[in-house]
Amino acid sequence: DVKVTQSSRYLVKRTGEKVFLECVQDMDHENMFWYRQDPGLGLRLIYFSYDVKMKEKGDIPEGYSVSREKKERFSLILESASTNQTSMYLCASSGSPPPSEQYFGPGTRLTVT
Amino acid sequence: LAKTTQPISMDSYEGQEVNITCSHNNIATNDYITWYQQFPSQGPRFIIQGYKTKVTNEVASLFIPADRKSSTLSLPRVSLSDTAVYYCLVDSNAGNNRKLIWGLGTSLAVNP
Repeated sequence: DVKVTQSSRYLVKRTGEKVFLECVQDMDHENMFWYRQDPGLGLRLIYFSYDVKMKEKGDIPEGYSVSREKKERFSLILESASTNQTSMYLCASSGSPPPSEQYFGPGTRLTVT
Repeated sequence: LAKTTQPISMDSYEGQEVNITCSHNNIATNDYITWYQQFPSQGPRFIIQGYKTKVTNEVASLFIPADRKSSTLSLPRVSLSDTAVYYCLVDSNAGNNRKLIWGLGTSLAVNP
């Protein structure tokens, strides 16, 4: 059974903290994605990666960075968390070539206070 | 760049066929259309993908007219468990410049 796991389901952080969200997939997929989901705004792509150490900006990369040191792991980093980054964060992976089905993790509900 | 537009919400009854249409007027030649389903507190789940004409699998059909400016997800004989949010995605892969254009989702309520 294919799986995308995210390190936390719920996370509460304070403004200004550095936050790490981890995502691991077990399908040997080349492509990995980070989205945020907010009511009324749907899914918005933050960053994606099509290979180890490769990254591409999505639609809303400001305030975020990513790291992909190993094929199975894709990390989202909030350098200095702010209240407007309170959101649901979803990780996904997909095989190649695109377009191919994205497999999503369960999401991390991040609250920044 | 394609923009995707879909209805915010729809209502239906058990046993009916439901059709959800997504508009993507500026779709490019290499773009594919994919639909996802999302339940509360879960990540989206793939339903179906197509490029043109009609695609059918065990859970849904996808109709794409010749001009490809819209697509319709068809759910036959819905049940209460089909109550969910449905997202249309245009996957635009122009070389290394990949764009994923998501609709805002259609919240489908299936009533008994």
